[in-house]
Amino acid sequence: QQPVQSPQAVILREGEDAVINCSSSKALYSVHWYRQKHGEAPVFLMILLKGGEQKGHEKISASFNEKKQQSSLYLTASQLSYSGTYFCGTEIHPGTYKYIFGTGTRLKVLA
Amino acid sequence: SQTIHQWPATLVQPVGSPLSLECTVEGTSNPNLYWYRQAAGRGLQLLFYSVGIGQISSEVPQNLSASRPQDRQFILSSKKLLLSDSGFYLCAWSAPRGKNTEAFFGQGTRLTVV
Repeated sequence: QQPVQSPQAVILREGEDAVINCSSSKALYSVHWYRQKHGEAPVFLMILLKGGEQKGHEKISASFNEKKQQSSLYLTASQLSYSGTYFCGTEIHPGTYKYIFGTGTRLKVLA
Repeated sequence: SQTIHQWPATLVQPVGSPLSLECTVEGTSNPNLYWYRQAAGRGLQLLFYSVGIGQISSEVPQNLSASRPQDRQFILSSKKLLLSDSGFYLCAWSAPRGKNTEAFFGQGTRLTVV
């Protein structure tokens, strides 16, 4: 039931790009993306509510393909501050408020 | 503005001892409330969620329980801790019914059972 993220981990040099994928075996009605720094609570990045919707946040953007039941997070020209673990989150069924997270992707940006 | 408080930040407890973690939300009414657990280097596991006072949905049949005695208060408890209960516990809230918003997290409690 938990969305699967890929890759599990990625190491980048500053300025490089990365893509993180989130795939669900069940229908996705909305997707949220979060970043968690080591030892801290996750912080919300963005929400995608409609299939095909794309959003951006600084140099971080995301897309949502409702038909394929997946979402992707794009990090361009990565900065050291982008390091952390990224999670996609979703509500299992609209209106249930049962909110679960994907398996997580550890991202490390090196100078 | 809304804020969420979670305490304590760190806890070391012996096996078999009880547990009580508290979470309170300010600045909103009738929030959805959640308890998650994160094992070291792992993902976020949903333990309990609540859409109203006294309404608790359990996702993990273990020795943990949750209660919501007041609208903006969520408590995670255990009568007897196990070593496997160690982890990072996170409380979160989201907007009440009819709105689709993100989850806001407390700062977490790092529990070590020894």
